[in-house]
Amino acid sequence: ETGVTQTPRHLVMGMTNKKSLKCEQHLGHNAMYWYKQSAKKPLELMFVYNFKEQTENNSVPSRFSPECPNSSHLFLHLHTLQPEDSALYLCASSQEDRGGTDTQYFGPGTRLTVL
Amino acid sequence: QKEVEQDPGPLSVPEGAIVSLNCTYSNSAFQYFMWYRQYSRKGPELLMYTYSSGNKEDGRFTAQVDKSSKYISLFIRDSQPSDSATYLCAMSAAGYGNNRLAFGKGNQVVVIP
Repeated sequence: ETGVTQTPRHLVMGMTNKKSLKCEQHLGHNAMYWYKQSAKKPLELMFVYNFKEQTENNSVPSRFSPECPNSSHLFLHLHTLQPEDSALYLCASSQEDRGGTDTQYFGPGTRLTVL
Repeated sequence: QKEVEQDPGPLSVPEGAIVSLNCTYSNSAFQYFMWYRQYSRKGPELLMYTYSSGNKEDGRFTAQVDKSSKYISLFIRDSQPSDSATYLCAMSAAGYGNNRLAFGKGNQVVVIP
């Protein structure tokens, strides 16, 4: 596997379900991100992890819960979602160091549909 | 005022034409400028990456940055049907810890054979 992988690629869930999205990066990066992509809107940054520490949480509802057990893996735990949470969820990684920021590399995304 | 403005299009051009895309931004701290290409049902892939003002060319693609006008452009020469995709501009400020990217809405491009 190369780059950034995400599973599952598609997910349909009811509003009372609990599910998790998984992301794995094979690039040796030290920062990972979750984004939400909805139609006709810019990508929305949800969470940032630098060196496994969460450094940003952009007012995301608590029904989304991230987990970063190590620098290569990132999870997004979902529970009691709403239909408006249906979107493409993208994971990205980058190398963050004292010299500045490398650009971000994205996974293929998980297409989430909440019924 | 939105941080990054990008006209979402769509933009349809005949094969072989030049495609011109642009974004404007308001944050003068932005130093890094990127263009991503996103095919349907796929994640964005990095296309061009430039630092500060100037031009960068890679094959049929040219990225331009004019920081004085807070304006960036992407040109695709000799466009091909395989260039049909959504193009996202993105930018970030410099320095450690500034790894938040600000994105435009994306510009859908259709190249007609």
